This record gives sequence, C-alpha cells and structure tokens, in this order.
Amino acid sequence: DAKTTQPPSMDCAEGRAANLPCNHSTISGNEYVYWYRQIHSQGPQYIIHGLKNNETNEMASLIITEDRKSSTLILPHATLRDTAVYYCIVGDSWGKLQFGAGTQVVVTP
Amino acid sequence: NAGVTQTPKFQVLKTGQSMTLQCAQDMNHEYMSWYRQDPGMGLRLIHYSVGAGITDQGEVPNGYNVSRSTTEDFPLRLLSAAPSQTSVYFCASSKWTAGPGANVLTFGAGSRLTVL
Repeated sequence: DAKTTQPPSMDCAEGRAANLPCNHSTISGNEYVYWYRQIHSQGPQYIIHGLKNNETNEMASLIITEDRKSSTLILPHATLRDTAVYYCIVGDSWGKLQFGAGTQVVVTP
Repeated sequence: NAGVTQTPKFQVLKTGQSMTLQCAQDMNHEYMSWYRQDPGMGLRLIHYSVGAGITDQGEVPNGYNVSRSTTEDFPLRLLSAAPSQTSVYFCASSKWTAGPGANVLTFGAGSRLTVL
C-alpha cells in the first residue's frame, strides 16, 4: 500500500497558485518526501524533494509540517502546461519508491 | 546526454511469447528500476538494482526477470507473456549511495506492451 494519501483531483485557474496536499502520517525519520508529475502518458518528471525543511526550486515549493506527517506542494503561478497527475511519495535512500494514484490537476484558462 | 532510453516504444505479443524490454542510461547512475503502470493507476515497482550484479524484487516481481551485468543497462525479461502483463513499462535511474540520502529518479519515456 502507498504510504501517502492525496486528493484524487483538483482544479486550478491559470496564473493562480496551486496548493497540492499530501498526508504521510507513517513517515519514518530517514524517509524523504518526493514530488513527481506525469503529463499524459509520459515518464514521470521529478519536481522537488525534502526531508525536514521547506524547499524551493525553479518549479515549485515544498512545505513540510513540523511533525512531518503532511506536506504541500505549491506551484506558484500555474500554467496550462502544469495540467498533469502529481504524485507525492515517501522513501529512503534504497529507492523503493511506491507511487499511489496521485492527484489529477487540471489548470483552466 | 540521452538520459534514460527505453526500447521498444511499442510491442504486441501473443500469450506465451517471451521478450526483453531494454533500458539504458548514460548518467553513470548506480540505481536502476522498472515500474509498470496500468490504466488509471499509479506506478508499481517490479524490480530494482543498486549496482552491477545486484538486483532485488519490488512490489510486483512475478513473471519478470532482470539482470544487471553493466552499470548502463538493466533489461526486463518477460519469460512467458500473459494478458495481465499488458501495461506501460517505465525504467528509471538515479545516483545512489548506501546510506542516508535522497533518491531522485530520472524516468525513460516508457514502453507500451500489449499481450493478446
């Protein structure tokens, strides 16, 4: 079973921020939180990851709660090309990353 | 720098046939893995490897064999294809060290397999 829980779908208006929640209440101390996205049937694309601290890169920001039981991926200015399935995954360095069903994000004009 | 290359992109097999899905990476990544994705579902890990000569099973290993003779290549073999193996297969690789650290995967474009 996947270690994370995500809403199955969400809509976002173009140009607005998209906030994608993820629950991972059973995360262990050495496990990272990763976010990937998959556009149509392409291979998943890495977005961002974090352990304890909040992280930001050119694509997104990752906010991890202090107890590490949940996180939020923030796409600051959603575009139509951000329409995709977004996966929140937890895993350690051994890389047995289990993908759940993800959140289908639809960005509308 | 091609990244992760999968061949073939499409394949149709008859039940009972065997075939090999090829995966090659040119990033000198230690870690390589195979996932399958069924319609409307997430990816499920089949097998993975943390270096040449080292492989291990993932969530759904039955019906598949792997080997890792070189750092660059990680082929996935279907010994006797079944309709239940109709799926899209993704290969992924990453830098990896035995110890604490993140495992950021780079995925290939996928191989779509249909078993009749």
